[in-house]
Amino acid sequence: DQQVKQNSPSLSVQEGRISILNCDYTNSMFDYFLWYKKYPAEGPTFLISISSIKDKNEDGRFTVFLNKSAKHLSLHIVPSQPGDSAVYFCAASANNAGNMLTFGGGTRLMVKP
Amino acid sequence: DTGVSQNPRHKITKRGQNVTFRCDPISEHNRLYWYRQTLGQGPEFLTYFQNEAQLEKSRLLSDRFSAERPKGSFSTLEIQRTEQGDSAMYLCASRGPGQETQYFGPGTRLLVL
Repeated sequence: DQQVKQNSPSLSVQEGRISILNCDYTNSMFDYFLWYKKYPAEGPTFLISISSIKDKNEDGRFTVFLNKSAKHLSLHIVPSQPGDSAVYFCAASANNAGNMLTFGGGTRLMVKP
Repeated sequence: DTGVSQNPRHKITKRGQNVTFRCDPISEHNRLYWYRQTLGQGPEFLTYFQNEAQLEKSRLLSDRFSAERPKGSFSTLEIQRTEQGDSAMYLCASRGPGQETQYFGPGTRLLVL
């Protein structure tokens, strides 16, 4: 039972355009959501997060949107840069479960120059 | 550098051997998490500690897996009688008191021949 899903395994975007990565979850107990970026042979790097009490959080070129009724979150990257090319994971946690992270399967983003 | 560190970065072993990995969390982070990531998948939670107490270990993959954090600082993850299916990236993350975000180390890549 996959509680966190990223349905697009890959996404290709032109440099300067917007990248939109999507994530769906099923567990209504999740109350904190995070996006991580990962390069091969490295650990995940934290990008941005959002609490369930908010519907938007912005940090520079990165914005995360949360739609609790749809159990859906998305990461927007504007403008996309070639250095953004990596695998992006969304993750969710529940405060009453020790905040262990449940990850999606990842989306490989390729930003073309 | 005050990030999470993991040693070794790579480990090649023969089936049936025991292996031990070490994780040093960010200073003063009281929570430490272990995850495993196999090819094409998101990281999968294994176990976590709050200080020296192991609060969740039911997700450890089998009784061949064990983890310790004896003084509430660094942690070790041991796999006994390794199997080829244990080949994966083993990730450690830490989280500070009152914080929501987990920060990951670079991982230990295990290959069981």
